[in-house]
Amino acid sequence: SQKIEQNSEALNIQEGKTATLTCNYTNYSPAYLQWYRQDPGRGPVFLLLIRENEKEKRKERLKVTFDTTLKQSLFHITASQPADSATYLCALEGSSYKLIFGSGTRLLVRP
Amino acid sequence: GAGVSQSPSNKVTEKGKDVELRCDPISGHTALYWYRQRLGQGLEFLIYFQGNSAPDKSGLPSDRFSAERTGESVSTLTIQRTQQEDSAVYLCASSLRVGTLAKNIQYFGAGTRLSVL
Repeated sequence: SQKIEQNSEALNIQEGKTATLTCNYTNYSPAYLQWYRQDPGRGPVFLLLIRENEKEKRKERLKVTFDTTLKQSLFHITASQPADSATYLCALEGSSYKLIFGSGTRLLVRP
Repeated sequence: GAGVSQSPSNKVTEKGKDVELRCDPISGHTALYWYRQRLGQGLEFLIYFQGNSAPDKSGLPSDRFSAERTGESVSTLTIQRTQQEDSAVYLCASSLRVGTLAKNIQYFGAGTRLSVL
């Protein structure tokens, strides 16, 4: 069956370091993959979309890679700040065009 | 409107009562999605609409759950005879359209927090 896996353990890093979050999937052949940020008590907010023919996508301090051979996407935040603390969700398009979300990884950036 | 609006923001109800949750999508967005998020968990897909038809309602947990949408605007999610396990945040999202690359970017409301006592 189709599955998206994100590390359920929180990632705890020091301010200024690079945070790297992982999204693995099985039994998908996605045309694209999306990353969202969710703060407590709020709905997710779209961050980045990367297509299957793109190896890497950047937006300010954010970088996403997409390896369709490994069936994995990495999400990097460089020069992390306490304000980056949130839960980050990856999402893939499943059957009938609906997005399937991973369970998310919580990032904590210590000042 | 400027964003996706959901109401009420909080709803406390007694077990066995019916509840209606409302979602106002972004104007012009033809696709609308409902998700459920239990405390500390990920998003659970419930149903999505393209216009006022629902091509995929596979995530509705039971026949106590139903949803409808009027045209390409407001949607209501109805839960009949609520149970304690229905307690969760119900999130609504809209997107410009489905089936078109890069247009399935979803914009979420703040959610309705449902508590069933």
